[in-house]
Amino acid sequence: GQGVEQPDNLMSVEGTFARVNCTYSTSGFNGLSWYQQREGHAPVFLSYVVLDGLKDSGHFSTFLSRSNGYSYLLLTELQIKDSASYLCAVRWPNYNVLYFGSGTKLTVEP
Amino acid sequence: GALVYQYPRRTICKSGTSMRMECQAVGFQATSVAWYRQSPQKTFELIALSTVNSAIKYEQNFTQEKFPISHPNLSFSSMTVLNAYLEDRGLYLCGARDLQGAGAEQFFGPGTRLTVL
Repeated sequence: GQGVEQPDNLMSVEGTFARVNCTYSTSGFNGLSWYQQREGHAPVFLSYVVLDGLKDSGHFSTFLSRSNGYSYLLLTELQIKDSASYLCAVRWPNYNVLYFGSGTKLTVEP
Repeated sequence: GALVYQYPRRTICKSGTSMRMECQAVGFQATSVAWYRQSPQKTFELIALSTVNSAIKYEQNFTQEKFPISHPNLSFSSMTVLNAYLEDRGLYLCGARDLQGAGAEQFFGPGTRLTVL
């Protein structure tokens, strides 16, 4: 919903990095969250951004460009256990809920 | 810490029957509860948002007649899937949030996986 789009799959190599992209329609934007979801489990909150720029949280960093309707989640020093789906969710103020993308399945190879 | 429980974790029902699922928040006040469905194709759909002391708002393609929701207090919500059919299968997730709190985090339960035969 709300035009939140993510690529379906992403592959990367252990020890390197991965960037998970997310685009959304910009009308009424009120913040964006990133979640990690493992198969059969609940989404786990990673980060919330509402201002432009890069938010560095160590292993996970997030970037936001509100004017472009674009965000990415950057994972550095990848480990095999980072293999999971990463969900981008955009918040709109009228309903105070999150609209999720369909998630990007990240596979980290040795 | 803040936790959200959902039960049952898995359920199977016959086509045309109904199934009720529950969501319990522990450690915080669930002033807002959103119900989502994640289809087998991984599409994440918002079903409805329930805020205590406000009307429940359903998204397009979802109705109260099909997915009645109860949110009687700040720790509990339930949703029923009435007259379930094959297209209703998926993982139903409850996301709870304290609107009075400073954080923007929505805490999710592990989901109820519905299989319809």
